Amino acid sequence: DIQMTQSPSSLSASVGDRVTITCRASQNINSYLSWYQQKPGKAPKFLIYGVSSLQSGVPSRFSGSGSGTNFTLTISSLQPEDLATYYCQQTYSRRTFGQGTKVEIK
Amino acid sequence: QVQLQESGPGLVKPSGTLSLTCGVSGDSIISSNWWGWVRQPPGKGLEWIGEIYHSGSSNYNPSLKSRVTISVDKSKNQFSLRLGSVTAADTAVYYCVRDAQGTVGFDHWGQGALVTVSS
Repeated sequence: DIQMTQSPSSLSASVGDRVTITCRASQNINSYLSWYQQKPGKAPKFLIYGVSSLQSGVPSRFSGSGSGTNFTLTISSLQPEDLATYYCQQTYSRRTFGQGTKVEIK
Repeated sequence: QVQLQESGPGLVKPSGTLSLTCGVSGDSIISSNWWGWVRQPPGKGLEWIGEIYHSGSSNYNPSLKSRVTISVDKSKNQFSLRLGSVTAADTAVYYCVRDAQGTVGFDHWGQGALVTVSS
């Protein structure tokens, strides 16, 4: 089975900061990588698919990059409403989520 | 717009069977999408349970495969989850999801249903 490892597990940043979350797959997953945002008490929201394609309605401050086994989610300018836990997911073989990265606002 | 809604008992006894149904509106269960389940224990991360295509093809998380069945009811435009031999470790919020085109990701989620396993 494909394992997904995210880092860091949590981070604290100020409004306006650039934030980067990494996700590593245990094997090559080509471009079958998606990202989700989960706000407290809510269902996850689909952010990015195919490594870098933004889902409709997602602010352009969110971006994704990477290939093969190493991937990155970047928030270019952190906003208060970005307080959430972010999960990566591989859709190459069955489905696996990373363990999540909790983003807090300083 | 596409909406998914979970329904089913919120309390299940240990060793019993957890059963949930997901009603789909705004899309047909026989479209080119897959339909699946994800769970989240309190305070923990997301765990993929499995998914099904309207043809009956299915995929399951290997760690749950022996206890899980996902089925489709085309006449009611809904799909269901059954998880047997439950323990307290199966207590979680259960989400039904649409897996877009079977490769893109989970573009629509239900609101989630908390299921507690307790006597």
